[in-house]
Amino acid sequence: EVQLLDSGGGLEQPGGSLRLSCAASGFTFSSSAMSWVRQVPGMGLEWVSTISANGGSTYYADSVKGRFTISRDTSKSTLYLQMNSLRAEDTAVYYCARAATYNSGWWDFQHWGQGTLVSVSS
Amino acid sequence: DIQMTQSPSTLSASVGDRVTITCRASQSISSWLAWYQQKPGKAPKLLIYKASTLESGVPSRFSGSGSGTEFTLSISSLQPDDFATYYCQQYNSYPPTFGGGTKVEIK
Repeated sequence: EVQLLDSGGGLEQPGGSLRLSCAASGFTFSSSAMSWVRQVPGMGLEWVSTISANGGSTYYADSVKGRFTISRDTSKSTLYLQMNSLRAEDTAVYYCARAATYNSGWWDFQHWGQGTLVSVSS
Repeated sequence: DIQMTQSPSTLSASVGDRVTITCRASQSISSWLAWYQQKPGKAPKLLIYKASTLESGVPSRFSGSGSGTEFTLSISSLQPDDFATYYCQQYNSYPPTFGGGTKVEIK
């Protein structure tokens, strides 16, 4: 059974940093692209970032480019999101997701973690 | 970015009803469309990919259709477990984008 366990969320001040983690199991982590998707409570879904299966390619939404860094540790089957220069508008539940890559070159999201809440406020 | 527009935003229906949700793309996305179901406090769940392919384990009362710019998600006979919010997502172009969601409520 595929399991994704998100952690690392919390309350942080504007301008601060947080690192989210996602521990994966039940599938071949090294063969799967992985993503982060966020959701402001009560609102819709927003793709944040994706890393390729081998870690060689990373992609970011314009809203987080230059502030967030996605990475992965295959030895630990863990995905990370380093979030710097946090803003109030980054407040959301962050989900890690196993991404499926298609001939279009892009992804849908097959499996999701339970989410971790990031709150940015002074 | 490709804009995804869902309608209606809220839908009131009864158990046993046939329900249809529409998702429109601002430009052609071929069949690169997924549908997700989300219940309150839970993560989204993939229901359908490539516009019409049912994800493993998803009940056959769910179906998807369409291509190009217009897509539909149908539930043939609404069950109590189906009351949730549904999202479409395109992956024809970068960045991937989601529709605003359709909440299916009990009538």
